[in-house]
Amino acid sequence: EDQVTQSPEALRLQEGESSSLNCSYTVSGLRGLFWYRQDPGKGPEFLFTLYSAGEEKEKERLKATLTKKESFLHITAPKPEDSATYLCAVQAPYSGAGSYQLTFGKGTKLSVIP
Amino acid sequence: EAGVTQFPSHSVIEKGQTVTLRCDPISGHDNLYWYRRVMGKEIKFLLHFVKESKQDESGMPNNRFLAERTGGTYSTLKVQPAELEDSGVYFCASSQFGDEQFFGPGTRLTVL
Repeated sequence: EDQVTQSPEALRLQEGESSSLNCSYTVSGLRGLFWYRQDPGKGPEFLFTLYSAGEEKEKERLKATLTKKESFLHITAPKPEDSATYLCAVQAPYSGAGSYQLTFGKGTKLSVIP
Repeated sequence: EAGVTQFPSHSVIEKGQTVTLRCDPISGHDNLYWYRRVMGKEIKFLLHFVKESKQDESGMPNNRFLAERTGGTYSTLKVQPAELEDSGVYFCASSQFGDEQFFGPGTRLTVL
């Protein structure tokens, strides 16, 4: 069974204090690893997809990296508006049934203090 | 481009009643998914439609849940009869292919 573990569960940073969030995964073959941002009362908002070890993607102050066992979401000089829950999800290779389901972790709640 | 929309945003019902949730995917997206987040747990997959066909319903918890997507456009998820453990936030997502899934705002269901 696919599993995704995110750490830490919660993280408080001062504005400008860079840090990283971790996503460890166990999957029978990885087709894609997805990062989402979720604000309170809203649905997950797509950030990145990573497909192979060594791949990196950036968007503003966020950079996602991927190894064979985990992914990191690096946040550089965060601002208060970066406060949100960050979710990691994995997608296994398409089965015979062609399922595209995502398996999510519980998320990391990030708070950036001014 | 309009995003995924869900209705209602909140629903409070008594145990034993029936509730129907609706999802309108992004126009042109053949793939539609239902997920659920129960309090304190991670978001979990329920099922996947490709157009009007159920591609994967392995996450549906039991036969009290019925999902439909007539005509391959919007989808409904009916819970009948609702139980206390069905409370949670139900998310719908859509994708054009098998990659990025775009989520709606969710429907918060409370069963009393």
